[in-house]
Amino acid sequence: AQKVTQAQTEISVVEKEDVTLDCVYETRDTTYYLFWYKQPPSGELVFLIRRNSFDEQNEISGRYSWNFQKSTSSFNFTITASQVVDSAVYFCALSEGRVSGGYNKLIFGAGTRLAVHP
Amino acid sequence: NAGVMQNPRHLVRRRGQEARLRCSPMKGHSHVYWYRQLPEEGLKFMVYLQKENIIDESGMPKERFSAEFPKEGPSILRIQQVVRGDSAAYFCASSLVTGPEAFFGQGTRLTVV
Repeated sequence: AQKVTQAQTEISVVEKEDVTLDCVYETRDTTYYLFWYKQPPSGELVFLIRRNSFDEQNEISGRYSWNFQKSTSSFNFTITASQVVDSAVYFCALSEGRVSGGYNKLIFGAGTRLAVHP
Repeated sequence: NAGVMQNPRHLVRRRGQEARLRCSPMKGHSHVYWYRQLPEEGLKFMVYLQKENIIDESGMPKERFSAEFPKEGPSILRIQQVVRGDSAAYFCASSLVTGPEAFFGQGTRLTVV
C-alpha cells in the first residue's frame, strides 16, 4: 500500500533560521513520483517540485532544497534562511506513475504547518 | 493560458441541499482528479475521470456523491443532500494524457450550515 508520512505536525522557527520538513513514503512500485506542495493561508495549492524515482540527485532552487534518499524512502525539504512569507502548510505527495495513461493519483501526507516568526 | 479553473470558490449550502462544484481543466488536459481536504487534514483522492469516463472512484463516498466529465464542458462534482461533515475544500487537478504533472485549481470551499 502507498503511504506518505509527515511526522512533524507543526514547526515554529524564527526568521532566518533553516528548517527541514521530513517526508517518508511507502510504495511497492519501482516507478513513482514525489511532490511537494505549499498551501499558504489563502488556501490554494502551490506546486514546488516533482522528482521521479530514478533521479536521486538533490535539487536546489533558491532558498529551497530537496534531499531524496531511496535507501531510507525519504524526500525531505529544507528552507534556508526562512522568511515570514514561508509560513504555510507543506504537503508531500506520492504518485505511482505509469508510462502510458498519465494516471497519477496523488497520495498526500497530512502536512506540516510551518510558522515563521519575525 | 488559463490554469485549472474551479467555481464557485466558496459555496454555502443548507443541510439537505445539493452542491455542484465545477472544474474546467487546463487547455489540452483530458484527465481530471478530484480531492477533498477536510479541515486541518491533508488532501484525499476522491475520483479520477477522463472525458465521458470514470476511471477510478475508489475514494468517493458510496452515497450522495457523484462526478462526471462530459465530452463538452467542465467536470462536475455533485453532492446530494449535503450534511455538515461534507464541509471541506474540494480541489480539482488536471493532467495531460502522458504526464505525471497534476495542476491544481484554487479549490471550492463548501460550508454546510
